[in-house]
Amino acid sequence: ILNVEQSPQSLHVQEGDSTNFTCSFPSSNFYALHWYRWETAKSPEALFVMTLNGDEKKKGRISATLNTKEGYSYLYIKGSQPEDSATYLCAFTSDSNYQLIWGAGTKLIIKP
Amino acid sequence: DVKVTQSSRYLVKRTGEKVFLECVQDMDHENMFWYRQDPGLGLRLIYFSYDVKMKEKGDIPEGYSVSREKKERFSLILESASTNQTSMYLCASSPPGGNIQYFGAGTRLSVL
Repeated sequence: ILNVEQSPQSLHVQEGDSTNFTCSFPSSNFYALHWYRWETAKSPEALFVMTLNGDEKKKGRISATLNTKEGYSYLYIKGSQPEDSATYLCAFTSDSNYQLIWGAGTKLIIKP
Repeated sequence: DVKVTQSSRYLVKRTGEKVFLECVQDMDHENMFWYRQDPGLGLRLIYFSYDVKMKEKGDIPEGYSVSREKKERFSLILESASTNQTSMYLCASSPPGGNIQYFGAGTRLSVL
């Protein structure tokens, strides 16, 4: 059974601080790793899709790294702002099919 | 701007009722998906469709069926709603090849 684990489950961060959280996934048959942001009352939106070991992607203050050999990805947020408050989801897909296997998410709350 | 529209944000139904959840996308995507999201769990795939009139079971299809008569519309049907189907339901679409999924805002269904 393929499993995707995210930690921590929730996180309170002071505005202006930087933070990071983890997604662990099976290291065999890797195809892609997705990160999504899901704000309350909105649709989940894709942040990054990463496919190559060692990939680093950046979007403004948010960046992500990928290690396919050991099966983990980190998401970093630099200088957290209130608008960063959301649940961050990661999803793994193997090369056998394109279905996404989802983690339970990390709920990030930024305290002003 | 890409758009996936789910017909209802909130829905309250009684046990035994037949429930229809509608999803429409305007991106001409081949792939469409229905997920449910429950606290502490990742998104779980109920059904997906790769083309008109095609459907595939996901991880938790029991108690659900789907219909895809037109490319832009993917309907989830609860034949006889039960209390354990109280959940957040998310529809998504994507182009072929395991790419980014675009989500609707979700339907929070309560079955009493």
